[in-house]
This record gives sequence, structure tokens and C-alpha cells, in this order.
Amino acid sequence: DQQVKQNSPSLSVQEGRISILNCDYTNSMFDYFLWYKKYPAEGPTFLISISSIKDKNEDGRFTVFLNKSAKHLSLHIVPSQPGDSAVYFCAAYSGYALNFGKGTSLLVTP
Amino acid sequence: NAGVTQTPKFRILKIGQSMTLQCTQDMNHNYMYWYRQDPGMGLKLIYYSVGAGITDKGEVPNGYNVSRSTTEDFPLRLELAAPSQTSVYFCASSLAGTELLLEKLFFGSGTQLSVL
Repeated sequence: DQQVKQNSPSLSVQEGRISILNCDYTNSMFDYFLWYKKYPAEGPTFLISISSIKDKNEDGRFTVFLNKSAKHLSLHIVPSQPGDSAVYFCAAYSGYALNFGKGTSLLVTP
Repeated sequence: NAGVTQTPKFRILKIGQSMTLQCTQDMNHNYMYWYRQDPGMGLKLIYYSVGAGITDKGEVPNGYNVSRSTTEDFPLRLELAAPSQTSVYFCASSLAGTELLLEKLFFGSGTQLSVL
């Protein structure tokens, strides 16, 4: 049973515009969330995180928003660049490991 | 600066064969993990280890075995390969299992396994 859900398998955005990747979770006990980025033939790498005591965390072009009441978080990339084309995984901390969503494949076109 | 190294990168097995996926890390991390990623799916935890000699089951342990005799190595064993085990396998390590330290979760580049 998928506790972390990324319902959009893919997203295409023009260079310079905003990319918004969404993630929903079902377990209200989750209190720490992370986004990972994955290029083909490589392992995932950490991008940005947010604790449930916050509703927003920024790091350069990347911002993550958390809506606890809706059990929803989103990753905003502004401005999007072609090098951002990758698969993005949302993950929730489950006490000893990470619980991952299915991922969203982002394509940023020139 | 190797990080997490997985071998082999690719492997094709026949049904019923066995094999060991190797994983080694040179960062002196205590926690190590094995995940599998099926096509169009997220990463699912197979087994994890919090230190040498200690292992525990994750979400999808059936059909696999692990051991952790040293801090560096965490091999994953498939005893009787089945088509359902066709997947990409990722090994990962972190200093500890707390949420902040899992931001420093380092993944290997993966092993693509096909069971035919």
C-alpha cells in the first residue's frame, strides 16, 4: 500500500518557467519529508527537505511547500533549466528509513 | 572518493538460479539499505542494517537474504531467482537513521537484474 503518492508520472516544462511537482501522503505520523533527484543510470541524490514544523523551505531555485492538513507537499523549481530534467522522488521519513513515492519524470525543454 | 559501490551493474539470471549483489561503502557509515525499484514504481526497502552483525527486514524481504559481517559490506543474496525479482536494485548508506542524517543518504548507481 503506497503511503507516499506522486500521481503525475511525468511533467514537461519550458526552460525558464516554473516546475511544480506534487506529492501526497497518507500516514499522519510522517513528520519529515525529502525530495531526491535521479538521473538515468545513477542512484538518487538528495535535493531538499522539510520538517513538519515548517510549511516552506527554500534552497536556491528549489522550494518545498508542506500542507499538513491536506497531507500534501510540492516542489517548485524556478526558473527551470534543461539540467533539471530527471526523475524526482518524494520520500517520507518512517523512523529508520525512507518511504518513497513512484517518482515524477521532469523534462525541461529549451 | 568511491562512496557506495555496487557490482555487477547488469545481470541476467535464469529462473531458479542464485546470485549475490555486492555493495560496499568507504564512508564508515553504520546504516546500510537495499532498495528495489520496479518500472514505474518507487523504491521499496528490502532489508536494512544498523551496524555490523545487525540486519532487519524492510517492506519487501521475501526471496532475499542479507548479511553484514563488516561495516563496509552489505551483500544481498537471491537464492531462487523468480521473474518477479526483475528490478533495479539500489544499495545505500548513511551515518545513522535519523531524519537529518538521511539527507546524507548515499546511493550506489544500481544493479539492473533481469530474471528470465
